[in-house]
This record gives sequence, structure tokens and C-alpha cells, in this order.
Amino acid sequence: EIVLTQSPGTLSLSPGERATLSCRASQSVTRNYLAWYQQKPGQAPRLLIYAASSRATGIPDRFSGSGSGTDFTLTISRLEPEDFAMYYCQQYGSAISFGGGTKVEIK
Amino acid sequence: EVQLLESGGNLVQPGGSLRLSCVASEFTFSTFAMTWVRQAPGKGLQWVSTITDNGFTTYYPDSVKGRFTISRDNSKSTLYLQMNSLRAEDTAVYYCAKHGSSGWSGDYFDSWGQGTLVTVSS
Repeated sequence: EIVLTQSPGTLSLSPGERATLSCRASQSVTRNYLAWYQQKPGQAPRLLIYAASSRATGIPDRFSGSGSGTDFTLTISRLEPEDFAMYYCQQYGSAISFGGGTKVEIK
Repeated sequence: EVQLLESGGNLVQPGGSLRLSCVASEFTFSTFAMTWVRQAPGKGLQWVSTITDNGFTTYYPDSVKGRFTISRDNSKSTLYLQMNSLRAEDTAVYYCAKHGSSGWSGDYFDSWGQGTLVTVSS
């Protein structure tokens, strides 16, 4: 089983700032099959990024994904008020597993 | 717009059983693999089970293997999760999720239901 470790656990930032979220895998993710999701309280997760760097339909271009192998990053270039939420990474190169999440909170 | 509507969540005693359903609409259900994901209160997301588009192949993590069974009825555009021998640690919101595309490269989830709460307690 591939274990995904997300860091930091909490990111405290102000609107307009840049957010950098990390997702590290315990072994290489096959074909960089890694996705990112956003989840707000009381809501289902929403797909942001798949295949490490492809934006899902309707996702603003301030969200970008990068990385390969075992190290992946989700970047939000300029935080909007609606971006404060939980973020999860998920790998699908070997079975399926999720990271523990990063909370992006308002500073 | 894709719609996924889960139902069947309830309070059940340890050792009991429950069947969840997820009715899909606004897409061709029979051409996409489907997955159940759960989220315990205040916790992260956990993969529960996956079924291929034709229903012939299923996948489970060790935590539910032998207790849970995923199935689908493509004629009714409905996904199921039969849960037996339930434990307190199975308490969670259960989401059904549609895969992004066909094949291995599509095993991410581009649409989710609103979830149904399963509580296992005496």
C-alpha cells in the first residue's frame, strides 16, 4: 500500500497569498497517477487536479499541480476567500489511497 | 450535470448489516467504474471499494475485505454497498464517486454524491 503524507497539517495564510501544499508518497506513484481534491465543511470533495498536473473541468487556473515520482505539490497562486478549505491528495497508481489532508485557514 | 444520490445510512448495532445505494443520473452509468469512499467524523478520506464498469471485477482494502460487498445494477444506474459484521470503526459518511474516465488512468473521482451517514453503536 502506498502511504501519502501531506504537509503541513495546517497552513495559515491571508487572501491574496500563495499556498504551497505538499504530498509525499512512500514509494513512486506509477505514471504520476495523483489527484488533488478540495473539501469544505459539510460538503463532498471536489476534484481539482488529476494526473499530477491536469486541471479538472471548471477549476480556476490559480490552482496548479506539479511533481513526479514520490513528491507532488498543489499550488494556489493567489488565495481567494472561497479557497480556505481542506485539501487531500489521492494516488491511483497502485490501488487507491488518500493523504491525511492539509487545512488552509485564514490567518 | 452528473447526479449521485446515496441512501441507506442509519444507526446499526455492532455486528449488524446495512446496504447502501447510490442512484446515478445524467451520465452513461454503465461505462464508468464506481467507488465508495468514507470519512469518519472529523477525519480524512478512506477508500472502501471499487467496481469496474461491467461489474465483473471488484477491489477492496484489507480493512473491509470479507465484510463489505460492492455491486451494481447497470439497468437501474445504481451502485450498492452491502456491509456486514459492522464495527464501531466503520462509523462514517459514505460517499459514492464516479471515476474520471475509463481504464486505469481514470481512477480518480470527478463527481461525488452528498454522502450518507452510517453510525455503528450499541
